[in-house]
Amino acid sequence: QVQLQESGPGLVKPSQTLSLTCTVSGGSISSGSYYWSWIRQPAGKGLEWIGRIYTSGSTNYNPSLKSRVTISVDTSKNQFSLKLSSVTAADTAVYYCAREGIEYSSSSGFDYWGQGTLVTVSS
Amino acid sequence: DIQLTQSPSFLSASVGDRVTITCRASQGISSYLAWYQQKPGKAPKLLIYAASTLQSGVPSRFSGSGSGTEFTLTISSLQPEDFATYYCQQLNSYPPTFGQGTKVEIK
Repeated sequence: QVQLQESGPGLVKPSQTLSLTCTVSGGSISSGSYYWSWIRQPAGKGLEWIGRIYTSGSTNYNPSLKSRVTISVDTSKNQFSLKLSSVTAADTAVYYCAREGIEYSSSSGFDYWGQGTLVTVSS
Repeated sequence: DIQLTQSPSFLSASVGDRVTITCRASQGISSYLAWYQQKPGKAPKLLIYAASTLQSGVPSRFSGSGSGTEFTLTISSLQPEDFATYYCQQLNSYPPTFGQGTKVEIK
């Protein structure tokens, strides 16, 4: 059974960089046809996709965040990471990592998610 | 970005009711639509992808239909564990976007 677990600081100061890591267990991050994504959800609000990475290292980012986002992968640790720079209070949210399946070159949805981690941006 | 509009935003229903949630896309997305269920304090759970394909392990009372710009999620007989918020998501073009959610509460 694949499991994902987010880790990182729960409090980040404005203008600093938010850094989170997602550790994948129960399967290799390198195996199969999957993308690995970050999604966030402000309290009481909807879901926003941040970006994704393939194990080759290729990335796609949400244009609304692209200038501030970097997603990387460490296959030796079975982890992928998110960095979001120049944060403001508007970046306060629960951050989820998730796996996106690919079937016949099309997305089969985000089938495994981490439990989520709350990141608060405050001085 | 493709906008997804769900209706209703809030739904009050009883156990055993048939429930239908609609998701409309601002432009055609073929069948590249997924549905998720989210309970308070939990991550979303994938129910349906490719508009009508039931994710493994999801009860058969959940079904999805539609293509192009209009999609529906139907719960044939609402169970106590189904009270939650439901989101649609388009996967036709990047960035993938979500609807605003439909909260299903107990009448």
